[in-house]
Amino acid sequence: EADIYQTPRYLVIGTGKKITLECSQTMGHDKMYWYQQDPGMELHLIHYSYGVNSTEKGDLSSESTVSRIRTEHFPLTLESARPSHTSQYLCASSAIAGGRGEQFFGPGTRLTVL
Amino acid sequence: AQSVTQPDIHITVSEGASLELRCNYSYGATPYLFWYVQSPGQGLQLLLKYFSGDTLVQGIKGFEAEFKRSQSSFNLRKPSVHWSDAAEYFCAVGGYNKLIFGAGTRLAVHP
Repeated sequence: EADIYQTPRYLVIGTGKKITLECSQTMGHDKMYWYQQDPGMELHLIHYSYGVNSTEKGDLSSESTVSRIRTEHFPLTLESARPSHTSQYLCASSAIAGGRGEQFFGPGTRLTVL
Repeated sequence: AQSVTQPDIHITVSEGASLELRCNYSYGATPYLFWYVQSPGQGLQLLLKYFSGDTLVQGIKGFEAEFKRSQSSFNLRKPSVHWSDAAEYFCAVGGYNKLIFGAGTRLAVHP
């Protein structure tokens, strides 16, 4: 079944640790996105990719980095986690670029940095 | 600037009652419009979308939305709400290279 997966679902970690949030999709989509979502707030685009070896920063400045070595895999890394990084991170993919096509979302990773 | 406003942060309705969630957008060109639903601890699921044509669009789970260009609105409706509809609802407008989301409306359903 075509789907989009995120691991871990929940992560509690101390300040200064390096973390990688995993996102994989079996949708066959070229386009992938990372959003940050705080409670009661809108989603903010932090990274996107339109294909292998293509990554761009989104609207919301983020200290995280991403890579796109394989079409189906789009991991997000924080080199040194801080309490300000506490948030929910949602991964999405689409067949059509940008705002013209439906985006499919993973279940999210809720990150807490102590 | 492109933006989406959902005026109602929180709405409570009784099960079986009708529902309307408001969405206003600001976008210079013909918009691509979406409604997503997010259940607790889950990602977003697309309810419906409008690209062109008939301004009344039907979606999943009995939802519909009407695009009104003159009012820059894309309100979501459902004639009879079920307890399982309790969730957060996000309106989004599709820009050139991204989706722009509203802050969401949290729906509570009383039995």
